[in-house]
Amino acid sequence: KAGVTQTPRYLIKTRGQQVTLSCSPISGHRSVSWYQQTPGQGLQFLFEYFSETQRNKGNFPGRFSGRQFSNSRSEMNVSTLELGDSALYLCASSLGGLTSDTQYFGPGTRLTVL
Amino acid sequence: GENVEQHPSTLSVQEGDSAVIKCTYSDSASNYFPWYKQELGKRPQLIIDIRSNVGEKKDQRIAVTLNKTAKHFSLHITETQPEDSAVYFCAASSGNTGTASKLTFGTGTRLQVTL
Repeated sequence: KAGVTQTPRYLIKTRGQQVTLSCSPISGHRSVSWYQQTPGQGLQFLFEYFSETQRNKGNFPGRFSGRQFSNSRSEMNVSTLELGDSALYLCASSLGGLTSDTQYFGPGTRLTVL
Repeated sequence: GENVEQHPSTLSVQEGDSAVIKCTYSDSASNYFPWYKQELGKRPQLIIDIRSNVGEKKDQRIAVTLNKTAKHFSLHITETQPEDSAVYFCAASSGNTGTASKLTFGTGTRLQVTL
């Protein structure tokens, strides 16, 4: 099975712009979670999508949003970029059942905000 | 919400020695505890996980122990090898619908195995 893929792998944006990141889960996985990884804050949960619905949300401002399509692919969007949004954005897919199951991470998108 | 603390932040061991990384969690509802290994420039990869109905789990040189009463769990790596050098993250989640996929991570331990 192909692993989790993310596009693009690298992005450079300027403050005030917006950005859209994409994540394709492992075939058969219905849950996609997004995490932000920074040296200072570590790995932080952004949100999770399951069956095209946001099922859980972390403590990030409304500038961070996402969606999931019927084929389970997910996108996250960050509007009005700030310097502090520079980070590695990781998505993870899982089967998404009622109990916790293994989350498989993608390679990440490294976002740099200038 | 859940809070996970991880110690130490860095750990240096000689090849062949054992390494132990410890994590504590705050939410008594947490019942799933995975450990991820992240090599430089690569994605986090699951190396072992444990659920709250089990006290210990072992996979070759890697073992994890869980103490629900004390709310802490530990990763044990025996006979360390240079390829074990990486950053290790512990995490916790509760198994309830809506939160099962929300992993709260520790701050990471940079393990260096020296020859």
